Amino acid sequence: AQKITQTQPGMFVQEKEAVTLDCTYDTSDPSYGLFWYKQPSSGEMIFLIYQGSYDQQNATEGRYSLNFQKARKSANLVISASQLGDSAMYFCAMIGRNRDDKIIFGKGTRLHILP
Amino acid sequence: DAGVTQSPTHLIKTRGQHVTLRCSPISGHKSVSWYQQVLGQGPQFIFQYYEKEERGRGNFPDRFSARQFPNYSSELNVNALLLGDSALYLCASSFEAGDQETQYFGPGTRLLVL
Repeated sequence: AQKITQTQPGMFVQEKEAVTLDCTYDTSDPSYGLFWYKQPSSGEMIFLIYQGSYDQQNATEGRYSLNFQKARKSANLVISASQLGDSAMYFCAMIGRNRDDKIIFGKGTRLHILP
Repeated sequence: DAGVTQSPTHLIKTRGQHVTLRCSPISGHKSVSWYQQVLGQGPQFIFQYYEKEERGRGNFPDRFSARQFPNYSSELNVNALLLGDSALYLCASSFEAGDQETQYFGPGTRLLVL
């Protein structure tokens, strides 16, 4: 069975500092995708970044980068130069080559950026 | 470009009633998925539809049903509502259905069952 684990229920970070949000996963699928989504208080899930299991390089999107360590089954999100608007819930998610191709989400990490 | 849209944004129902939630995918996207997110948890997969056919179903009772229309929009129906059905219902669309497809989410429908 597939599983996503986010061990940090909440984090407080000073504005402009970098922050790392942890995510580990478990799957028996040889091919899978890993995602990070941001959910502000409005509720909408905002796609941030995607990493394919066969991608050789870590994904980057602006201030977001994904530290993908396949052997350790970890996919940590790094946010550089944090901003007040980064305060939100962050979800790590995975999709595997199952019949239904559903996305499995972790329980999330609530990030608070302090001015 | 319009993103995924959902209606209504908020809904209050009483136990035993039924509810219909609607979703319009991003233009050109053929796959729609539904998720339930209860307070304090990550979203849980309910259904995925692709080209008007059900591709997957999560661990939800038969009170939950869905369909996809020829224009790729979708409806989620929940019958005999229970208090525990109170949640944020999220719709996501992707161009196709597959393990490399990014799903883009709508703003959700907040359902409160009294």
